[in-house]
Amino acid sequence: KAGVTQTPRYLIKTRGQQVTLSCSPISGHRSVSWYQQTPGQGLQFLFEYFSETQRNKGNFPGRFSGRQFSNSRSEMNVSTLELGDSALYLCASSLKWTGGRTEAFFGQGTRLTVV
Amino acid sequence: GIQVEQSPPDLILQEGANSTLRCNFSDSVNNLQWFHQNPWGQLINLFYIPSGTKQNGRLSATTVATERYSLLYISSSQTTDSGVYFCAVEAYNDMRFGAGTRLTVKP
Repeated sequence: KAGVTQTPRYLIKTRGQQVTLSCSPISGHRSVSWYQQTPGQGLQFLFEYFSETQRNKGNFPGRFSGRQFSNSRSEMNVSTLELGDSALYLCASSLKWTGGRTEAFFGQGTRLTVV
Repeated sequence: GIQVEQSPPDLILQEGANSTLRCNFSDSVNNLQWFHQNPWGQLINLFYIPSGTKQNGRLSATTVATERYSLLYISSSQTTDSGVYFCAVEAYNDMRFGAGTRLTVKP
């Protein structure tokens, strides 16, 4: 059974640009959550999608957005990139929505560097 | 929101030693997971353990939900056990992570 797939693995962007990251969950999983990991702030929750609907959102500015498609694949977008957006972005896949007592599985992450 | 504290923040061991990592949380949780982050950044599932005790080879975990803590035991540590261990709790519809324990196992 294939795991969670994130693309691309590495990305270098310039300040002011925008970026789109992709996450394909485990087959049959309907929930995708996104997390940002930085040395200073640790792992922080961005948002969760379940059945194409955003169920929950963390404390991030509106420049961070996402969506989920009917096949459960999800994308997150960051507009007007800032140097502080440099981070490892991780997505997690689970069978049910968070709160539904379900185990989460993570992808390998996308390492974004903003220069 | 819920607070998750892991201790110790850093741990250095000789190969073959045993260790205990702790995770305290400030409120009732629906779920708790332990992860090992590999050098490439991926979070590897170790245990899904909202309560009780589980064992998997040299690793075992115990969660006492009523007392709001979980323990991860690593026995006969190997250099490949090095890395950062995170506990994550599920409450209020999101998953909160501790700051992690960085384990270094020396040969």
